[in-house]
Amino acid sequence: GIQVEQSPPDLILQEGANSTLRCNFSDSVNNLQWFHQNPWGQLINLFYIPSGTKQNGRLSATTVATERYSLLYISSSQTTDSGVYFCAVGGSSNTGKLIFGQGTTLQVKP
Amino acid sequence: SAVISQKPSRDICQRGTSLTIQCQVDSQVTMMFWYRQQPGQSLTLIATANQGSEATYESGFVIDKFPISRPNLTFSTLTVSNMSPEDSSIYLCSVEDHSGRGWGYGYTFGSGTRLTVV
Repeated sequence: GIQVEQSPPDLILQEGANSTLRCNFSDSVNNLQWFHQNPWGQLINLFYIPSGTKQNGRLSATTVATERYSLLYISSSQTTDSGVYFCAVGGSSNTGKLIFGQGTTLQVKP
Repeated sequence: SAVISQKPSRDICQRGTSLTIQCQVDSQVTMMFWYRQQPGQSLTLIATANQGSEATYESGFVIDKFPISRPNLTFSTLTVSNMSPEDSSIYLCSVEDHSGRGWGYGYTFGSGTRLTVV
């Protein structure tokens, strides 16, 4: 099956700093999403981005499907950005199953 | 995006008992998905629930332990049976989001059920 690797596993930032999170996947996909899991366990959908670039405020994401990676950019980080960021992919068989990476745990310090 | 109401949000249960988790969606969906997130881990798919047919379970998960119901196109339940401390996890349901009101499509998740078995 498809393998999903995220880096770095942990990241500590000072408030106001910028960061880039990476997601590598081992096969072609028809779905790629970035999620933020808050301290209460709720999973928030940040981007649906199987290819191309999208921006939403201080967050942006780019997926280069031909090279099998995606990047999530966080600019001017805030303490509320803390939590775990997951990349999840769906394979070309389109069963609806999402395969999650192990996540990047982000801590933003004031 | 599609709105999912998941209940309960958390529970503490005695070993050997069962807990049923409910998910209600504000629109009709063909497939609903149930995931488990063990402490400090990523999410793993338990099963896919289609209305009118038996759920399809992933490797390592069985119907006797995680029976699922899907009585209509907006509702599903997952039961965690004969619980042990190893079942302590966050359980989440998910549906495909066709509304387009969110950031594209993809899949959206319920708020999760944090289960602790003592």
